[in-house]
Order: sequence, then C-alpha cells, then structure tokens
Amino acid sequence: EIVLTQSPATLSLSPGERATLSCRASQSISSYLAWYQQKPGQSPRLLIYDASNRATGVPARFSGSGSGTDFTLTISSLEPEDFAVYSCQQRSDWPLTFGGGTKVEIK
Amino acid sequence: QVQLQESGPRLVKPSETLSLTCGVSGYSIGRGSYWGWMRQPPGKGLEWIGTISHSGTTYFNPSPTGRVIMSVDTSKNQLSLRLTSVTAADTAVYYCARHSNITPGRVGPFDIWGQGTVVTVSS
Repeated sequence: EIVLTQSPATLSLSPGERATLSCRASQSISSYLAWYQQKPGQSPRLLIYDASNRATGVPARFSGSGSGTDFTLTISSLEPEDFAVYSCQQRSDWPLTFGGGTKVEIK
Repeated sequence: QVQLQESGPRLVKPSETLSLTCGVSGYSIGRGSYWGWMRQPPGKGLEWIGTISHSGTTYFNPSPTGRVIMSVDTSKNQLSLRLTSVTAADTAVYYCARHSNITPGRVGPFDIWGQGTVVTVSS
C-alpha cells in the first residue's frame, strides 16, 4: 500500500499569506496525485489532479507541483474561503490512498 | 449537472449490515464510468473503501477485509454499498463519488462527490 504523508498537520496563517502544503508518497507515484479541499460539514472538492492541473473552476491562486514522491500544493495568497482541510490522494496503484490532511487555519 | 446522493439508515447495530445507496442524477451510469465509496471517521482523514465500474468490476481496499459488497444498478441509475459485521470502528461519514475519465485504462481522481451520509454503529 502506498502511504501518503502530509505535512504540516496544521498551518496557521493570515489572509493574504502564502500557504505551502506537502504530500510525500512512500514510493513513486509518477504524477498521479490529486489535491482536495474540504470545509466543515462539506464533501471534498477536487482542486488539482495529476499533480499540477487545476480542476474546472478552481482559482489560479491554487497551484500544484511535484512528481515521483514529493508534491506541493501552494495557495499564493490566502482568501478567507481558503481556510479548510486539504488532502492528497494517489491513483498510481491499488488500493487508492489518501493522506491524513493538512488543516489551514486562521492565525 | 451531475449529482450524487447517498441514502440509508443512520444508525446500525453492531454485528449487523450497513447498507447504503448512491443515487446518480444528470449522468447515466450505463454510459461507462467508475464510481468510488469513501468514508471519514469523526475527526479523521478520508479512507477509500472501494471502486466499481459501470459493468460491475470491483476493486476493494484490503481493509475492511472481506466485509464489503458493492453493486451497480443501471436501471435505477444507482450504486450500492453493503458492509457486513459492523463495529463501532465503522462509524463514519460515507461518501460516494465519481472517478473522472482523464486517463484511458486508469481510474481518474474523484471529480463529483455526494454530500455524504453519517452512519453511527451503536446498540
């Protein structure tokens, strides 16, 4: 099973600041990594797929990078609606796995 | 607009079977796609349970081992999940979601999610 480790667990930032979230895979997953945003009481929303492609309707302040085992989600300038939990997910191999999530909270 | 809606009992007794359905609107399952079930225990991360194709091919997470049954009903345009012999550890929000079709021969990421349904296992 491919284990995805996200760091940090919690990121405390202010609106307007830059957020950098990490997802590390236990083995190479090429670029088969997606990022999801989840707000309290809501279902996850696909933000980024295949490491760096924004999903439909996702603002340009969200960007993804990486390949192999190390991936990054960057939010260039945090908006109030961006404070949420972000999870990564790999589709390189079965079983599909998710990371434990990073909570981006208001400082 | 594609929408998914989970439904089923919110309370299940230990050792019994959890049964959920996922109604799909705005998209015909028979057209061909893959569909996943996930769950999220209180305060924890997402866990993939399994994936089923429109033709019924299934892929399961090794855990919960051997307790998952998934099916698709194209006539009703819905998916079903059954989890047998439940325990308190199966208490979670359960989601169904559609795999996007972006890579031929490989399931895509989950682009459409249901709102989720809370299931509590308790006597």
